[in-house]
Formats: sequence, C-alpha cells, structure tokens
Amino acid sequence: EVQLVESGGGLVQPGRSLKLSCAASGFTFSDYAMAWVRQAPKKGLEWVATIIYDGSSTYYRDSVKGRFTISRDNAKSTLYLQMDSLRSEDTATYYCAGPGIWFAYWGQGTLVTVSS
Amino acid sequence: DIQMTQSPASLSASLDEIVTITCQASQDIGNWLAWYQQKPGKSPQLLIYGATSLADGVPSRFSGSRSGTQYSLKISRLQVEDTGIYYCLQRYSAPYTFGAGTKLELK
Repeated sequence: EVQLVESGGGLVQPGRSLKLSCAASGFTFSDYAMAWVRQAPKKGLEWVATIIYDGSSTYYRDSVKGRFTISRDNAKSTLYLQMDSLRSEDTATYYCAGPGIWFAYWGQGTLVTVSS
Repeated sequence: DIQMTQSPASLSASLDEIVTITCQASQDIGNWLAWYQQKPGKSPQLLIYGATSLADGVPSRFSGSRSGTQYSLKISRLQVEDTGIYYCLQRYSAPYTFGAGTKLELK
C-alpha cells in the first residue's frame, strides 16, 4: 500500500525558514518523480515543485523560485522541501504527491502558517 | 503559463442526475490532463488521468473526455458520496496548473 506521510509544518515568522519532509513507502521511491502541492486556507490547489526520480532535475513555480528547494534522499525514501524567506502568502497546507506524473497518491498534508 | 478555466464554479444536482464539469485549456495540452476530487478536510483523490483513463478503484460512473482544448468530467448517475470539490490539472508543461475548482452539492 502506497503511503506518503508529511511532517515539519508549523508556525513560523516571515523571513524565517522551515523544512518539510515526506516519508514514502509501498513503492520503489527511486523510480519516480515526486512533487509538492499546496492549498491556502479555503483556496484551491497550487503546484509548488517537482523533482525527477534521481534528483537531477527540479521545477518550481515562479513565486517560490530562489526561496524553496525540493530535494530527495532515495536511500531513505524521503522527499524534502526547504522553504526559506517565507512570506505570509506561503501559508498553506503542503501536500506531498506522487509517485510519477499523475499524483495518484497524496499525503495527509502539513500546515505551514507564516505569521508574526 | 497555461491557464485552465474550469466551469461551473458550483453546481447543485439531484441523486442519479448526470453531471458534467469542464476545463478549457488556454493552449493545446494534448491528453495531459487529470481530474481530482477533494472532500472537506481530506487530501485530493485522482479520478481520471490522461484525459480519459479511469484511476484504480474509481467507480465507472466517472468518465473523462476531450474535444480539442476542452476537457470534461462526467458523472453518469450522481451519488451521495460524489459531493465535494473537483479540480482539473494540466501536466503538459511547468508550471503545472489546476483549475479553480467546482463545488458539487446535492440538491
């Protein structure tokens, strides 16, 4: 059974950093691209970043480029999102999604609140 | 960026009714489109991928179709458990973009 379990969310002040993790199981993690998708409170879904199976290529939405870094540790079957210079508009539930391109599975989400 | 215009924004329908939700892409995206259902407080669930392929475990009353750059999700006989918010997603090119969502309620 595929499982994706996010962790690392919380309350953080504007300008500070936070690192999210997503522990994957039930599939061969190193074979698939993975992604982060976020959802601001009472809003729609927004793709954030994607990393291909071996980590050699990454893609970001413009609003997070230069501030967020997606990475993975295939030995640990874990996906990460390093979020720096956080802004109030980054407040959202962050979902880990995969495996592969169609987001067949999603984690339960982890809430990031950026506020002073 | 590719824009996905989803309609309607909300929809109220009766049990066993046929429901159709559409997404219009701002350019050709081929069959690189998926549909998701999200229930309150829950994570999204994949329904349709590749514009027309049914995801594992999804009831056959759900179906997807394409006409040019317009994509449709059809529920052939609406059931109580089908209420929620539906989103389309284009996976043709980054940044991958979701439609704004359609809130489906029972009448």
